[in-house]
Amino acid sequence: GAGVSQSPSNKVTEKGKDVELRCDPISGHTALYWYRQSLGQGLEFLIYFQGNSAPDKSGLPSDRFSAERTGGSVSTLTIQRTQQEDSAVYLCASSLSAGPSGYTFGSGTRLTVV
Amino acid sequence: GIQVEQSPPDLILQEGANSTLRCNFSDSVNNLQWFHQNPWGQLINLFYIPSGTKQNGRLSATTVATERYSLLYISSSQTTDSGVYFCAVIYNFNKFYFGSGTKLNVKP
Repeated sequence: GAGVSQSPSNKVTEKGKDVELRCDPISGHTALYWYRQSLGQGLEFLIYFQGNSAPDKSGLPSDRFSAERTGGSVSTLTIQRTQQEDSAVYLCASSLSAGPSGYTFGSGTRLTVV
Repeated sequence: GIQVEQSPPDLILQEGANSTLRCNFSDSVNNLQWFHQNPWGQLINLFYIPSGTKQNGRLSATTVATERYSLLYISSSQTTDSGVYFCAVIYNFNKFYFGSGTKLNVKP
């Protein structure tokens, strides 16, 4: 597609439920990132995929968080047993490579855990 | 990890004024980008500028990689420039490290 597409744009869930957030990167982009932005804060790195390499999961805050990227394209971020502190905007970005190129961000998914 | 510091944290301008935002980083980087996050949360890529100077309309940016800083210039500011400006660097061809941002409010 023309840009990075994320869905849903908004998600309200009850504490303890599982949620799945989707990111559809720009076609042909091999690098994909997930970031989290809490209200009024900067961006917190979560996970990074580059081609067929093992993902860099060093930013995932707990084992309740996981992500996969199928076929080198669409990525799904899953949060199990959601907690109120998981409420944030989850942003996805993609790029042609991990090297010198620009990154494009999606519009994000605003997750609210009640 | 690499440290990215932005200043000032907050900035209020009258429409038409000029401003300079600064980004300092603690190590050599492979990539540096400036983003504008508008009031609706959308992150817009302004510049990819690991070194040198670029200009786009009223905005320009300069990165001095050897001294580990980058500057974003906004001239003749408009109310639509309001939002948060983030500097982000890529270190070791890996993940982005973001600064904490400069929140800009341009008043009419």
